[in-house]
Amino acid sequence: DSGVTQTPKHLITATGQRVTLRCSPRSGDLSVYWYQQSLDQGLQFLIHYYNGEERAKGNILERFSAQQFPDLHSELNLSSLELGDSALYFCASSVLAGSNTGELFFGEGSRLTVL
Amino acid sequence: EDQVTQSPEALRLQEGESSSLNCSYTVSGLRGLFWYRQDPGKGPEFLFTLYSAGEEKEKERLKATLTKKESFLHITAPKPEDSATYLCAVQARGADGLTFGKGTHLIIQP
Repeated sequence: DSGVTQTPKHLITATGQRVTLRCSPRSGDLSVYWYQQSLDQGLQFLIHYYNGEERAKGNILERFSAQQFPDLHSELNLSSLELGDSALYFCASSVLAGSNTGELFFGEGSRLTVL
Repeated sequence: EDQVTQSPEALRLQEGESSSLNCSYTVSGLRGLFWYRQDPGKGPEFLFTLYSAGEEKEKERLKATLTKKESFLHITAPKPEDSATYLCAVQARGADGLTFGKGTHLIIQP
C-alpha cells in the first residue's frame, strides 16, 4: 500500500460528459502529480501541484483541469469527454517540490471508460 | 523531445533464468533515470534512481546500470513473484514530470 488513495476506482460515462477524479496523497507529501496511462501511449505526465500551487504542466488537454486544496487532496476534472480519453489516471505524491529522486508514490489509479 | 524506448516489449523466462531488460533514452540533459515495477491493476512502484553513467544500484535479484545512452535492468535467478511490467523513465534537467517508456512485460514461469 503506497498510502496514496484514489477514487473512484472505476468510472463509466458517455461522450460529452464531465467527471472528477480525486486523490489523497500520502500523509506529509506536499506534491501531487497526475499521469494518464493508455495502451498505446504509456504513462504520460499531465500536471504537478505543490502545496496548493500549480508547478508544471505536461501533456494536459485544455478540456482537463486540476486543483489542489488546502488539505492537500487533489482533483482532476475531465470535461467534454471523448472516446480517446478512456484510460487509467494515476495520482502520485512525493515530499519534495520536484521529483528530485524520481521516487513517486502512485495510487492504484482510476479507470475511466468513455462510451 | 525526450524519448524512452524499452525492449523487449515482453519476455518470458523460466524460474532461475537470468536476463536483462533494456531502456534506451534521449534526453536534453539527464537529471535522473528511474526504474519502476507495475503489477496488474496497481500503480507503479519505485525501484531505483540512477544519476550518472557508470552508476549501479541493486535490490535483491535486480541490478540497474546506466550508460550515456541506455540503462539495463539485470534480473538474476528470477522467481515467479518477479513477474510484472518494468517501466523506465527519465527526467531532464529543469523538467518536472517524468517521461516513461512503454515497459517490458516480464513473465517468470515456475
